Amino acid sequence: DTEVTQTPKHLVMGMTNKKSLKCEQHMGHRAMYWYKQKAKKPPELMFVYSYEKLSINESVPSRFSPECPNSSLLNLHLHALQPEDSALYLCASSQAGVGDEQYFGPGTRLTVT
Amino acid sequence: QKEVEQNSGPLSVPEGAIASLNCTYSDRGSQSFFWYRQYSGKSPELIMFIYSNGDKEDGRFTAQLNKASQYVSLLIRDSQPSDSATYLCAVHQAGTALIFGKGTTLSVSS
Repeated sequence: DTEVTQTPKHLVMGMTNKKSLKCEQHMGHRAMYWYKQKAKKPPELMFVYSYEKLSINESVPSRFSPECPNSSLLNLHLHALQPEDSALYLCASSQAGVGDEQYFGPGTRLTVT
Repeated sequence: QKEVEQNSGPLSVPEGAIASLNCTYSDRGSQSFFWYRQYSGKSPELIMFIYSNGDKEDGRFTAQLNKASQYVSLLIRDSQPSDSATYLCAVHQAGTALIFGKGTTLSVSS
């Protein structure tokens, strides 16, 4: 089973709201990722967690705050977003590291109004 | 700067034909190579990965890697309209994140 789940599927939020995106995997993977994808563009890496520790932060604005409560869960906390942050937010996981096969969840379609 | 290049397409092939998608990369130290399929509005789906020079086959898909020439390709035999999607090539070198190409759009006509 190579399933990564994400909730919610769709999210509309105002610029003053605080919301969270959730991701879960039960494949025993030890690396988890957040990507952002705009229309007709490839996924853009935001954060990597390896063995529950943040290992890569691709200079993402502080209005995005990741959290890894345990090896199966990954959250992305959102605060004071801008309309240009509207995108598809993808979670992925892999066995141990960035060089392993990454499996993506279905994504959360975020719209900031 | 590490780069992964793909022809954006669209690549149009008739049903039943072989579709050939190509990807070149700039960093000779690259070690892992992946092909993802992405339907419009959906998330990327891993369809092939290859680590060693040569060919790797899985059903109708064949990935080909040539490290000396720094290219990786994906062949889709007996193309079906359901194969119409964007195909993303992704490359990894130790110590870096996965680098995606911009994707090639494939259109298979019935």
